[in-house]
Amino acid sequence: GENVEQHPSTLSVQEGDSAVIKCTYSDSASNYFPWYKQELGKRPQLIIDIRSNVGEKKDQRIAVTLNKTAKHFSLHITETQPEDSAVYFCAADSGYSTLTFGKGTMLLVSP
Amino acid sequence: DVKVTQSSRYLVKRTGEKVFLECVQDMDHENMFWYRQDPGLGLRLIYFSYDVKMKEKGDIPEGYSVSREKKERFSLILESASTNQTSMYLCASRRDREGGYTFGSGTRLTVV
Repeated sequence: GENVEQHPSTLSVQEGDSAVIKCTYSDSASNYFPWYKQELGKRPQLIIDIRSNVGEKKDQRIAVTLNKTAKHFSLHITETQPEDSAVYFCAADSGYSTLTFGKGTMLLVSP
Repeated sequence: DVKVTQSSRYLVKRTGEKVFLECVQDMDHENMFWYRQDPGLGLRLIYFSYDVKMKEKGDIPEGYSVSREKKERFSLILESASTNQTSMYLCASRRDREGGYTFGSGTRLTVV
């Protein structure tokens, strides 16, 4: 089955810096890669996703890149703000409509 | 604007009890899922269902069962609760493989 590795497990940045979270996947048949943000005590929320026929997607301060050949994808957050502090999960579509998730990255943005 | 509702936010049960966790979605989604979330382990799939009365095992189904009698409702059952099932349980739904999940708020279950 699909296996998703996510790094780093924790990331501390200063407000205004950029943050990058990286994920690798194992199943070359995977074709959908969402990212979720989970604030403390809240449900995970979809923030951006990308499909395998696209190399990059942007939405304001967040962007996701996908390298199908290398089987890795990354989340980029620019001009980070304290409200970006949360746990971020990457995921890959693993068949049967299921998603396999990475273990998460705790992002802390200090003012 | 709540679309996936989990019946309990917090639950405390005794070892050996039979526990029911309920999840209801109002988006007419075919696919529903149960995950558990533990620190350092991320989200792990317990069971999922792609249609009424259909169920499939996920990665960690041992000690759990599920029921889907109606399209909008997906129940997770702990047949005999044990302390190692203390966790956050998240329900999710998805229309098809074209979009992401919508999660419920989660049920934090403590088994004592």
